[in-house]
Amino acid sequence: RKEVEQDPGPFNVPEGATVAFNCTYSNSASQSFFWYRQDCRKEPKLLMSVYSSGNEDGRFTAQLNRASQYISLLIRDSKLSDSATYLCVVNELGGKLIFGQGTELSVKP
Amino acid sequence: DAGITQSPRHKVTETGTPVTLRCHQTENHRYMYWYRQDPGHGLRLIHYSYGVKDTDKGEVSDGYSVSRSKTEDFLLTLESATSSQTSVYFCAIREAGEAGELFFGEGSRLTVL
Repeated sequence: RKEVEQDPGPFNVPEGATVAFNCTYSNSASQSFFWYRQDCRKEPKLLMSVYSSGNEDGRFTAQLNRASQYISLLIRDSKLSDSATYLCVVNELGGKLIFGQGTELSVKP
Repeated sequence: DAGITQSPRHKVTETGTPVTLRCHQTENHRYMYWYRQDPGHGLRLIHYSYGVKDTDKGEVSDGYSVSRSKTEDFLLTLESATSSQTSVYFCAIREAGEAGELFFGEGSRLTVL
């Protein structure tokens, strides 16, 4: 079993839709959590960190549930430019950063 | 953009040959990572380093070795390349601290024939 698992996708949604991604992790000692975005096999880039209290950045909301060991990403009012692969990342002890498989999002006009 | 470069960017080699990929940073970041990316698998951690001469295994370390003799350089070596090691390899760097952001190189595409 992979240490970090994501919804398989792909997600095909119309513009303006709300879409949610989930990610589960197996190491309960994991310390910090992130969502990264990757476009067309380019290098991934940080979208947002995930805090225990939940955090929001414009149309994006990230949440962490330590008890159930999952993190989520909510995208509201989807834009064509949101089309990408979204990767959850878990920081295990000692700086070991593990990625989920990634979820592909395609936003259609 | 973070100062991180990978070389070579593209390489084609034959099964059984040794291959070394280099990651060079100008940011003086403590952590350095090597990932491979394959369709359906996302990015999988090969090895990482938390300081000069301090390295540890990741998820898929078999067949790979690393060295970090200087802060700025992290080398990934395939002692005897196999076709299953055909992949895109990404190097990443990160400052110390739990919240540190990963900055990636542009990737190195390796094809093993």
